[in-house]
Amino acid sequence: AQSVTQLDSQVPVFEEAPVELRCNYSSSVSVYLFWYVQYPNQGLQLLLKYLSGSTLVKGINGFEAEFNKSQTSFHLRKPSVHISDTAEYFCAVFYYPVAQKLVFGQGTRLTINP
Amino acid sequence: NAGVTQTPKFQVLKTGQSMTLQCAQDMNHEYMSWYRQDPGMGLRLIHYSVGAGITDQGEVPNGYNVSRSTTEDFPLRLLSAAPSQTSVYFCASSYTGGHTGELFFGEGSRLTVL
Repeated sequence: AQSVTQLDSQVPVFEEAPVELRCNYSSSVSVYLFWYVQYPNQGLQLLLKYLSGSTLVKGINGFEAEFNKSQTSFHLRKPSVHISDTAEYFCAVFYYPVAQKLVFGQGTRLTINP
Repeated sequence: NAGVTQTPKFQVLKTGQSMTLQCAQDMNHEYMSWYRQDPGMGLRLIHYSVGAGITDQGEVPNGYNVSRSTTEDFPLRLLSAAPSQTSVYFCASSYTGGHTGELFFGEGSRLTVL
């Protein structure tokens, strides 16, 4: 079965510190990978995506993620976080052509402390 | 562009009542879907549609009905609300030509069932 695991439900960090949010997915031959961000009381916005090509992808707000096929991971990183990055982050995987739907992880709540 | 519009944003129901959550998109997307978001469980797919007249079940379809008579609209119906359906509901749409799974989300509808 297709599944996505976000290894940390909550991550507290200090402002200007680096952060990594971890995501692993069940193995499959073909996947597209996404990170979405949800600010308080809002819908989800696309942060970045991997479809093909370079395994290091850059997104909005200084975030980047690296696709590691051998470890079936897609970890999200930012070298220096800001208070405004406080949000919930969701990893999502599209398994193709087997399935035609996006599978989400459980979410990681990132809290930035001053 | 309005994108994906959901109404109402908030709703309180009594057990056994029925209601419809409305979803409309103006991006001419063929794919539309409904998710529910519950704490610690991420987003779970309720129903989805790959085009007008075509719908299918997701992970948690029980207690919900959908129909898709036009490309733009994808309403979600609760026939007899239960407290277990208290949740935040998100409608999302996507391209299907060269479908990658990337979704565009509405702002959500918060439903409380007493």
